[in-house]
Amino acid sequence: KAGVTQTPRYLIKTRGQQVTLSCSPISGHRSVSWYQQTPGQGLQFLFEYFSETQRNKGNFPGRFSGRQFSNSRSEMNVSTLELGDSALYLCASSFGTSGRTDTQYFGPGTRLTVL
Amino acid sequence: AQKITQTQPGMFVQEKEAVTLDCTYDTSDQSYGLFWYKQPSSGEMIFLIYQGSYDEQNATEGRYSLNFQKARKSANLVISASQLGDSAMYFCAMRGGSYIPTFGRGTSLIVHP
Repeated sequence: KAGVTQTPRYLIKTRGQQVTLSCSPISGHRSVSWYQQTPGQGLQFLFEYFSETQRNKGNFPGRFSGRQFSNSRSEMNVSTLELGDSALYLCASSFGTSGRTDTQYFGPGTRLTVL
Repeated sequence: AQKITQTQPGMFVQEKEAVTLDCTYDTSDQSYGLFWYKQPSSGEMIFLIYQGSYDEQNATEGRYSLNFQKARKSANLVISASQLGDSAMYFCAMRGGSYIPTFGRGTSLIVHP
């Protein structure tokens, strides 16, 4: 079974631009979560989508948004990029129906650099 | 609120020896799940092992076992017979009533030949 895939793997943008990251979950998984990982803040939860609806949201500004399509693929968008948005963005998929026991499987990440 | 604490920023172990990575958690939830992930330098987070708060036995997955002590709120990862490929960052995480996972800051493990 194919794992979680993320595209692109690397991105370089300049301040003020916007960016869209893509995530394809494991087949059969309906939940997709996004995380931001930085050396200073560690791994922080952005949001989770389940069956095309945002189910949970972390503490990030509205510049960070996402969506999920009917095939469970998800996109994350960051508008008006800031230098502090430079990070590894990880996507994780799971069945989404097991609550606390729901195991997430991560993709390889997209490394975003904002200049 | 949930909190995960990993007090060991870095650990060193000799190849073929066992190593324990510490994880303590704080939550007011009675039902929760505990997870360990490995992150090599490539960046991908690899799921290792899961323990449910109501599971009476410690979880094991191959060379990985989870030393779960509920009263002490600890969920330490034990890696037996360390291999060079085990060198990576290790993250402890939990998922409680809010269903939003909380991750610790991680422990860097270096395995020496």
